[in-house]
Amino acid sequence: NAGVTQTPKFRILKIGQSMTLQCTQDMNHNYMYWYRQDPGMGLKLIYYSVGAGITDKGEVPNGYNVSRSTTEDFPLRLELAAPSQTSVYFCASSPRHEQYFGPGTRLTVT
Amino acid sequence: KNQVEQSPQSLIILEGKNCTLQCNYTVSPFSNLRWYKQDTGRGPVSLTIMTFSENTKSNGRYTATLDADTKQSSLHITASQLSDSASYICVVSRLDSNYQLIWGAGTKLIIKP
Repeated sequence: NAGVTQTPKFRILKIGQSMTLQCTQDMNHNYMYWYRQDPGMGLKLIYYSVGAGITDKGEVPNGYNVSRSTTEDFPLRLELAAPSQTSVYFCASSPRHEQYFGPGTRLTVT
Repeated sequence: KNQVEQSPQSLIILEGKNCTLQCNYTVSPFSNLRWYKQDTGRGPVSLTIMTFSENTKSNGRYTATLDADTKQSSLHITASQLSDSASYICVVSRLDSNYQLIWGAGTKLIIKP
């Protein structure tokens, strides 16, 4: 089991560019989540999904989009990147309560 | 407002010593409280999950306590090791939304040899 994998590990974007952060899990978990972690702050939920075809907004969804066409994959799309989106992004999955996290993507927007 | 506050913000102790990290929360309605360990540059890893009726839970050298009346939790680390150097994050879940967790900012623990 690879668990939760995320690509890329690092990325630098220019303002206005777009990109997709990839997340895949091989544990057959129904629930998946995207978080962002800013320095010295707690994780903030961007979007979550309770199963294939179902997504919902979290606490900080503006500037992001997600899709969940399969149980395994939960990509996060950034359109028109802004400096405020500089952060570390974590994807997680869970069977119910306990969440399993990927290694994170460190994104810088300049 | 639903909040989780942790103290201290950072802590340095010598290898082999014990330490206790604190967590206060104002989340309501309460469902469960979790402690996560996050190594530098890695995703958080779950240490314990406690529901309303549990007041203590252990995972090896880690022991978490919960006082639901005072809305306080602590994480005690016994006989610290260099590998315990990490951030420890307290997370609270609401009864009406298991998906939207309220995360503390974490305590950064450094173990010195």
